[in-house]
Amino acid sequence: QLVESGGGLVQPGGSLRLSCAASGFPFSTYTMNWVRQAPGKGLEWVSYISSSGSTIYYADSVKGRFTISRDNAKNSLYLQMHSLRAEDTAVYYCASSAPYIAFEYWGQGTLVTVSS
Amino acid sequence: QSVLTQPPSASGTPGQRVTISCSGSSSNVGSYYVYWYQQLPGTAPKLLIYRNNQRPSGVPDRISGSKSGTSASLAISGLRSEDEADYYCAAWDDSLSGPYVFGTGTKVTVL
Repeated sequence: QLVESGGGLVQPGGSLRLSCAASGFPFSTYTMNWVRQAPGKGLEWVSYISSSGSTIYYADSVKGRFTISRDNAKNSLYLQMHSLRAEDTAVYYCASSAPYIAFEYWGQGTLVTVSS
Repeated sequence: QSVLTQPPSASGTPGQRVTISCSGSSSNVGSYYVYWYQQLPGTAPKLLIYRNNQRPSGVPDRISGSKSGTSASLAISGLRSEDEADYYCAAWDDSLSGPYVFGTGTKVTVL
């Protein structure tokens, strides 16, 4: 099970930290991702972190503004978001990936709204 | 940005077969596994197909996936009202800054 939290309303230029609590599977052996979905739009992959945290990727749209991290001791995934823009408004999902099984499990999502 | 192209919509009557295409390139679909996800209204996506044609436990065998070259397809046979949802393909991509790319999505309507 994956449960996101931390979403909310933030002003343009502001910051927010999302969390994803994992349970029921060996979190430390899974790669993790953040995927977002703007209102009425499709899915957009945002960020990836390997099981150990040693390999990280970002979509160009968030590179330099977002930071993904994980705490395997706490079975938790994070997304620190800075310099937020209106176009970052979306439901943010965390999703786990096993070897050659991308986005196997998804959380319920947390809504981030960037507006003044 | 999506580099996997899907038709925006597809439809069928109950019992019919519906097929959704996913068109990519040699840097994604042509070289890597394709995945399919179903998103029911107001819910999170759910994995339907992995490694081109494998079904997770619980996904009925009337759902199938295939791949040929730089295109992939999802087929839903014996269409049911509960199949009305958005469907997305995804694949690893080695030409972008990040590993994954999603398709543009297809809305399936059961008439």
